[in-house]
Amino acid sequence: EAGVVQSPRYKIIEKKQPVAFWCNPISGHNTLYWYLQNLGQGPELLIRYENEEAVDDSQLPKDRFSAERLKGVDSTLKIQPAELGDSAVYLCASSEGGAGHTDTQYFGPGTRLTVL
Amino acid sequence: GIQVEQSPPDLILQEGANSTLRCNFSDSVNNLQWFHQNPWGQLINLFYIPSGTKQNGRLSATTVATERYSLLYISSSQTTDSGVYFCAVGSASGNTPLVFGKGTRLSVIA
Repeated sequence: EAGVVQSPRYKIIEKKQPVAFWCNPISGHNTLYWYLQNLGQGPELLIRYENEEAVDDSQLPKDRFSAERLKGVDSTLKIQPAELGDSAVYLCASSEGGAGHTDTQYFGPGTRLTVL
Repeated sequence: GIQVEQSPPDLILQEGANSTLRCNFSDSVNNLQWFHQNPWGQLINLFYIPSGTKQNGRLSATTVATERYSLLYISSSQTTDSGVYFCAVGSASGNTPLVFGKGTRLSVIA
């Protein structure tokens, strides 16, 4: 069974440019999470989807970040415009769903973003 | 919000040694997961353990929810155990996201 897939694995952009990350969760998983991980820190939740509905986006900086999961399967996270402080690893995770945040979560390999 | 503290922050072991990693949390939890992040950045779920004891091969975990701590035991450590171990908890006060600790960085040397 394939795990959580993310692309690209690495991205280098100049500040003020837009960037997008893509995630395909484990097949059959209804819940999808986007996390941000800064160097030396644990992941922090940005947004959680139950199917196509964003049910927890309180930590998403909505002035520059947006996310979508149109058909309840794969998802895209976008930053526009990127700032120097956005340099981090962006992680996607999925879980079977139905138990809110108490599901076991499975993580993708992450996208390492560098903003110059 | 709930606070999570992991100790020690760094640990160096000789191959074959045993270790205990600790996770303290500040509130009642209904969710506690241990993860291993390997040197390439991949996070692997080790245990879902809001209470009780579980074992998986050389790894075992115990959560004493009433005393607000969890322990991860690694026996007969191998170089492939190197990486960062994260504890993540979800507060029992509502359906809240997992809050991750800062991790314990483990280096196992041959």
